[in-house]
Amino acid sequence: GIQVEQSPPDLILQEGANSTLRCNFSDSVNNLQWFHQNPWGQLINLFYIPSGTKQNGRLSATTVATERYSLLYISSSQTTDSGVYFCAVVTNAGKSTFGDGTTLTVKP
Amino acid sequence: DAGVIQSPRHEVTEMGQEVTLRCKPISGHNSLFWYRQTMMRGLELLIYFNNNVPIDDSGMPEDRFSAKMPNASFSTLKIQPSEPRDSAVYFCASSDRRRGARPLVSGANVLTFGAGSRLTVL
Repeated sequence: GIQVEQSPPDLILQEGANSTLRCNFSDSVNNLQWFHQNPWGQLINLFYIPSGTKQNGRLSATTVATERYSLLYISSSQTTDSGVYFCAVVTNAGKSTFGDGTTLTVKP
Repeated sequence: DAGVIQSPRHEVTEMGQEVTLRCKPISGHNSLFWYRQTMMRGLELLIYFNNNVPIDDSGMPEDRFSAKMPNASFSTLKIQPSEPRDSAVYFCASSDRRRGARPLVSGANVLTFGAGSRLTVL
């Protein structure tokens, strides 16, 4: 099946710093989403981005489908950004696969 | 819409007991997914349905697990008999799967998750 690899696995930042999270996938996909799992365990959709670039406030994402990777940018990080960030892809057959996530800790 | 509704939110049971987890997808969504999340294995897709039909159950760990979707607005995940290693958070998600759709315009093909059911098997 399709492989999804996220990097780095862990990231510790000082408040105000910027960061880039990466998601590589091994085959062509129909969908790609970035999720944030907050400390309460909720999975919140950040971006639906099978290709191109989107921005939402301090967050933006870029997917280069032809090169099979996606990047999530977090600027001016805040302590509330802490949590696990997941990349999830969906194949043309409709099957979804998650990466192992990047655990982000933002220190005040 | 109230989003994807899962119940129960928490369940503690003894080994050997039957566990039934429930999910109500977003109205109008035609795809439903069951996931399990553990520290050791991360988020695993167990099974997914399209138009109430199971499409891929290769992620179901063993015969003790079964899932049904009797209609478009309800699905169950059952574990019988339960074991301590089944302890995890079980998530349900739904999407409006459309081939060739432009999701940025229509919202199609976007996974929306429920709050999860935390299962502890003693």
